[in-house]
Amino acid sequence: EAGVVQSPRYKIIEKKQPVAFWCNPISGHNTLYWYLQNLGQGPELLIRYENEEAVDDSQLPKDRFSAERLKGVDSTLKIQPAELGDSAVYLCASSPAPTGELFFGEGSRLTVL
Amino acid sequence: AQTVTQSQPEMSVQEAETVTLSCTYDTSENNYYLFWYKQPPSRQMILVIRQEAYKQQNATENRFSVNFQKAAKSFSLKISDSQLGDTAMYFCAYRSNDYKLSFGAGTTVTVRA
Repeated sequence: EAGVVQSPRYKIIEKKQPVAFWCNPISGHNTLYWYLQNLGQGPELLIRYENEEAVDDSQLPKDRFSAERLKGVDSTLKIQPAELGDSAVYLCASSPAPTGELFFGEGSRLTVL
Repeated sequence: AQTVTQSQPEMSVQEAETVTLSCTYDTSENNYYLFWYKQPPSRQMILVIRQEAYKQQNATENRFSVNFQKAAKSFSLKISDSQLGDTAMYFCAYRSNDYKLSFGAGTTVTVRA
């Protein structure tokens, strides 16, 4: 069975440019998460979806970050414009339900120059 | 908000020996879940072990076991018979009743041959 797929794995952009990350969760997983992981730190939740509904986006910096999960399957996380401090790994995870085990993707490493 | 604290940034252990990672958390909830996740270098995070707060018996998964002290809000992970493949960053995580998963800062474990 395929795991959580994320792309791109690596992205280098200049500050003020836009960037987008894509996540394909495990088939049948209704719950999808985006986490931000700074170097040497634990992941921090950005947003959680139940199907297509964002049920927790309290930690998402909405002035520059946006996310969507159309049709309750794939999800896209966008940053516009990117800042130097956005350099980090963006992790996507999915689970069958809010109470289920989280399965993580390999992450998308962003470097903002 | 729940706080998860891992006070050991790095641990080193000889192959076949035992290492214990500490984790403490702060909460006012009575029922919750605790987890240990493993993140190998450049690979995705995977679940190692979980503990339900209402269960007094400590969870065990092969060479991994926990010491859950609810009153002390402590949740340590013991890795027995350490193997080279155990080299990774280990994160303690707390899941609250609203399904929010909060991670500690992580402990880097290096297994020496």
